[in-house]
Amino acid sequence: NAGVMQNPRHLVRRRGQEARLRCSPMKGHSHVYWYRQLPEEGLKFMVYLQKENIIDESGMPKERFSAEFPKEGPSILRIQQVVRGDSAAYFCASSPWQESDEQFFGPGTRLTVL
Amino acid sequence: AQSVAQPEDQVNVAEGNPLTVKCTYSVSGNPYLFWYVQYPNRGLQFLLKYITGDNLVKGSYGFEAEFNKSQTSFHLKKPSALVSDSALYFCAVRDKAAGNKLTFGGGTRVLVKP
Repeated sequence: NAGVMQNPRHLVRRRGQEARLRCSPMKGHSHVYWYRQLPEEGLKFMVYLQKENIIDESGMPKERFSAEFPKEGPSILRIQQVVRGDSAAYFCASSPWQESDEQFFGPGTRLTVL
Repeated sequence: AQSVAQPEDQVNVAEGNPLTVKCTYSVSGNPYLFWYVQYPNRGLQFLLKYITGDNLVKGSYGFEAEFNKSQTSFHLKKPSALVSDSALYFCAVRDKAAGNKLTFGGGTRVLVKP
């Protein structure tokens, strides 16, 4: 059973460009979470999605950031008009059901904004 | 609101000696507590969890943690540290009443010296 897959692993963008980060949850998992880790800091929750629904987006910046988890395909975290402060590691996690305990993390996407 | 504190940025220990990584938490309801480990440029790996039951929880790689409700602590311990245990350790809490998101501490870097 493959783990949580994220791609790309590394992404370099210039200021003003768009960044698209992809996450494929573990097989059988329908709950996806996105977290951001700034350098030398812990992970901060961004958004929690189920298939075709955003359940909790309390950690998402109000502008430029959006997330989706379509019926088919991976979850996408989209950052428009990136700025240097968006440089971070973005981790996706998945779980099989709402009341499940652990969240299983992917390897992360390291975004660098030049 | 839920929160987690890891008071030590770094813990240094000699190989073979006991290792303790401290964590305290704050939640309004019953906590679900987790420890994750992160190796350089990798995602988070689950170590152990406390949901209910015995206060002493045993996890992967010889780690264990003790849940102390009165002190609101969940310290991670290993009786005999290995050089390969050198990594970044994160404590996390989930307050079921606050949804599924995990709130992480700032992380503690563990350095085990031969």
